[in-house]
Amino acid sequence: ETGVTQTPRHLVMGMTNKKSLKCEQHLGHNAMYWYKQSAKKPLELMFVYNFKEQTENNSVPSRFSPECPNSSHLFLHLHTLQPEDSALYLCASSQDPPRALYEQYFGPGTRLTVT
Amino acid sequence: QQPVQSPQAVILREGEDAVINCSSSKALYSVHWYRQKHGEAPVFLMILLKGGEQKGHDKISASFNEKKQQSSLYLTASQLSYSGTYFCGTAYNAGGTSYGKLTFGQGTILTVHP
Repeated sequence: ETGVTQTPRHLVMGMTNKKSLKCEQHLGHNAMYWYKQSAKKPLELMFVYNFKEQTENNSVPSRFSPECPNSSHLFLHLHTLQPEDSALYLCASSQDPPRALYEQYFGPGTRLTVT
Repeated sequence: QQPVQSPQAVILREGEDAVINCSSSKALYSVHWYRQKHGEAPVFLMILLKGGEQKGHDKISASFNEKKQQSSLYLTASQLSYSGTYFCGTAYNAGGTSYGKLTFGQGTILTVHP
């Protein structure tokens, strides 16, 4: 497996469910990112991790909880979501340090629908 | 602050050229360009750093005008494979403080017809 992979690719969950999104990168990078892409809206940065440490939280509601156990894996834990959280969630990775000097490699995304 | 892309959509015939602009109201440090096809991940095209450089990649090139705080993406002799949504991502801080934080424009939908 190469590049950045994300599972699941599609997820439907109720507002009271708890689920997790997984991202894995096979590029030897140390910086990882979560983005939200809603219809007709720009890509929104949610979190940045560098060497497993969170360096950016872009005012994301606490119902989204990221976890980065090592430089290759990134999770996004979801609980008590709202319908407006339905979107495509993209994971990306880049070389370190993530000073916007390096290209970001994106995964295919998880299409989340909250019912 | 979100950069502004123009135009919002472009329709071309194969072989025609297009320019997509990305403008910022704040001083830019770097500009990234990505292309996303429907149902796929965004794919990196190029990065430009402040200094007014121009880069090229096959028949796709870009420039960075520091005075105007604007980057332009040039697609020449367009091919069907160029169809997709083009995003610019901008970073505003220098000196290692931006931590990879990119703010993306709303995207420009490019459609190339045979």
